[in-house]
Amino acid sequence: QVQLVQSGAEVKKPGASVRVSCKASGYTFTNNPIYWVRQAPGQSHEWMGWVNAGTGDTKFSQSLQGRLTFTRDSSANTAYMDLSSLGSEDTAVYYCVLRLDNLDYWGQGTRVTVSS
Amino acid sequence: SYELTQPSSVSVSPGQTARITCSGDVLANKYARWFQQKPGQAPILVIYKDSERPSGIPERFSGSSSGTTATLTISGAQVDDEADYYCYSATGYALVFGGGTKMTVL
Repeated sequence: QVQLVQSGAEVKKPGASVRVSCKASGYTFTNNPIYWVRQAPGQSHEWMGWVNAGTGDTKFSQSLQGRLTFTRDSSANTAYMDLSSLGSEDTAVYYCVLRLDNLDYWGQGTRVTVSS
Repeated sequence: SYELTQPSSVSVSPGQTARITCSGDVLANKYARWFQQKPGQAPILVIYKDSERPSGIPERFSGSSSGTTATLTISGAQVDDEADYYCYSATGYALVFGGGTKMTVL
């Protein structure tokens, strides 16, 4: 059974960086892309970017380019999202989303709060 | 604003049919997907490729699309279906989302 399990909630100060992990199971990790999406309080969802878990190729939202990094550890079936220079506008729930055979599987979400 | 437009809310009585629309130019040549999101829970995909239903999703959930508008239909809505529903679509590497529709069943 396909599952994506994300790391726990984070509280960060403005200017800091955050790393969110997404551990996958139930399928071949390197064969499928992973999207990263976030949802700010009271808002809908925002696409952040995409990573090819096999090759490491990445695409980023223009609004986040320069602050966002995607990496993956194929041996651990885990994808990582790093966001730097955090501001209050980055307070949101962050999701990893796997597309597998046309179906989308969502992680449970990681709440990131940016507060001084 | 969002690239996909949804009504902000819809309200139905139990057993009635709820229809939620999603409009946007991208839907003219890209599939619509729909997910259900309840407070504090992970999103659950209920429709993909406009009208396909993932395994385990009740038959009362159906989808259709015509032109630039996709529609999620919940036939015989149940109290447990009360949730936020979002449409989205993939454009190349990116995902575009609707603003979400809060469905109340009472």
